[in-house]
Amino acid sequence: QAVVTQEPSLTVSPGGTVTLTCGSSTGAVTSGHYPYWFQQKPGQAPTTLIYDTSNKYSWTPARFSGSLLGGKAALTLSGAQPEDEAEYYCLLSYSGVGEVFGGGTKLTVL
Amino acid sequence: EVQLVESGGGLVQPGGSLRLSCAGSTFTFSSYWMSWVRQAPGKGLEWVANIKRDGSEKYYVDSVKGRFTISRDNTKNSLYLQMNSLRAEDTAMYYCVTTGGYWGQGTLVTVSS
Repeated sequence: QAVVTQEPSLTVSPGGTVTLTCGSSTGAVTSGHYPYWFQQKPGQAPTTLIYDTSNKYSWTPARFSGSLLGGKAALTLSGAQPEDEAEYYCLLSYSGVGEVFGGGTKLTVL
Repeated sequence: EVQLVESGGGLVQPGGSLRLSCAGSTFTFSSYWMSWVRQAPGKGLEWVANIKRDGSEKYYVDSVKGRFTISRDNTKNSLYLQMNSLRAEDTAMYYCVTTGGYWGQGTLVTVSS
């Protein structure tokens, strides 16, 4: 099965902007991979932030946005808050095969 | 409030079986693909299996093919995961997840002698 890659760790200053990316070993990530983004804080179940590349749920803070960037899926956080410190995972769908999570990005707000 | 409640986890010996259940409430269960996702202690998320709205399509991660079976009963708003021939590496928290964005709190499966 495919391998999905994410930055292991990133740091952002409070109020700053950071972009997390999600790549695929099979080539460019497209809307056909229906990228999802999830946030997980220590000791908690994950929550879903973004679906189908860029769509938000009612509970997704406005400072999070999803896109395709340079052949990868991207999650941009604009105006980082201390409570955004967490692990972030992307998920890609491979038609007729299944889905694969990335290894996760540990985001530090410092 | 949407709820997903998993059950059926526990301690099982290698080679044993478990059946996980996930009960959904206050949303139209049959409208969504459903997935099982697991997380080994201290590790990242791993997609395990998913099932189409009507149960007609099912997909599995390679490591569980032939051992795990995902199923659903839309009349009972329930999702299941039958796990056979369990191995130590199957030890994890198992979550049920909908394409509607909702997660359960998980049920812990420990495979150990």
